[in-house]
Formats: sequence, C-alpha cells, structure tokens
Amino acid sequence: GAVVSQHPSWVICKSGTSVKIECRSLDFQATTMFWYRQFPKQSLMLMATSNEGSKATYEQGVEKDKFLINHASLTLSTLTVTSAHPEDSSFYICSARDTRGAETQYFGPGTRLLVL
Amino acid sequence: GQNIDQPTEMTATEGAIVQINCTYQTSGFNGLFWYQQHAGEAPTFLSYNVLDGLEEKGRFSSFLSRSKGYSYLLLKELQMKDSASYLCAGGTRSGNTPLVFGKGTRLSVIA
Repeated sequence: GAVVSQHPSWVICKSGTSVKIECRSLDFQATTMFWYRQFPKQSLMLMATSNEGSKATYEQGVEKDKFLINHASLTLSTLTVTSAHPEDSSFYICSARDTRGAETQYFGPGTRLLVL
Repeated sequence: GQNIDQPTEMTATEGAIVQINCTYQTSGFNGLFWYQQHAGEAPTFLSYNVLDGLEEKGRFSSFLSRSKGYSYLLLKELQMKDSASYLCAGGTRSGNTPLVFGKGTRLSVIA
C-alpha cells in the first residue's frame, strides 16, 4: 500500500513553544491530507482537512489560529501547534487518501507530543 | 446523517475465531474499510469492501451488505498479537473527504 511518513515521531517541549509536525506522502501525490488527534484510550478525532494550495478546513471546536496547517506541495503538509500547553499533549496522526485504485486512507506513524 | 456503530470491547481466546460487527446508517458511502490499531500506534489498513459479499485475506476476512448497512471483520486462528482496536470506516468516492470512523472495537485475545 501507499506510504505516509511523519516527522518527528516524538516531541517533548516546554509550555509556550511552537511545534511543527511534517506529513509526507512518499509514493503518491495527495492534494488533500487529514490531521487527527488521539488521546489515550479514546477515538481518533479529525482536526482538519489540509488542502494543497488553499486554506485548511477545520472541524468544529478546533482553533485554526492554534493549529496552523500549511499544505506546501502535493506531498507535504505541516501542522504547527502554536504556544503549546500541557493540554495539547496528545498523539497527532496525519493521513492521506491514495486516489489510485480504492482510495484507501493511509496513516502516517503518528507524532507523540508531550508539553511540559 | 453519518453514524457508524461497533461494539466497544470484545474478548476472545487464542486460536479461536472472532467476528467484529459494524453497522452504519448513512447515504453516500460507497465503500467500507477496516483498520487495525495497536496501542500507541497509528491505524493500519486491513481491508476494503465495495461490493456485497466476503473478501478473504489470509486469517482476516471482511463482509459487507450494503442493503443492510452491515459489515463484519472475521479473524481466524487468533493470535495474541491480534489484541488491538479494530476500526470500521465508511468512505465516499472522493479523495478530498476523510473516511468516517467508528469508535473502534478493542479486542483482547487471551490464552
């Protein structure tokens, strides 16, 4: 299947700093990527849809000024958590649908963020 | 509207067979996906059904009935490593829209 990478896999930062997470589709182009957040033992929560060349679409309750999304190219989307606080500590996962064939949605390996 | 239901937890014995059901009430889905998610890891793709019937892939099989809004994932010869959450997801035929995920079924395989 298609491969989606994410970097970094782990981030520990101080409260108030900003953290950038990269998501790349390695063997296919993705005009759209998706960002999820997952707290321990809870369901995936869709945060936003990242669109190449245009603004991201945020789900209700997700602050667009806090979670900045930039879809710079057909293979790269970035999520920046600005002024991170301990409550932002979570598992952030990106994904993209491979529009070749079955349009399966493939996930990156995730980024675990811990804000101290 | 879009609503996907699956049991929260299931327990099964090593070597046995388990069936995880998923029901959905929605219009617009043209495919049903199953994912596996181990604790602390991202989901990985297991199967995709677009037509009614059973799709077999090794120890895992997935079934879909579009008229009944029903799918199941069948796991045979259970192994301890199959302990994970299994997510049912519906999708439209558009790469610009995310799949709609159920809350997942946490499967525990015991000896």
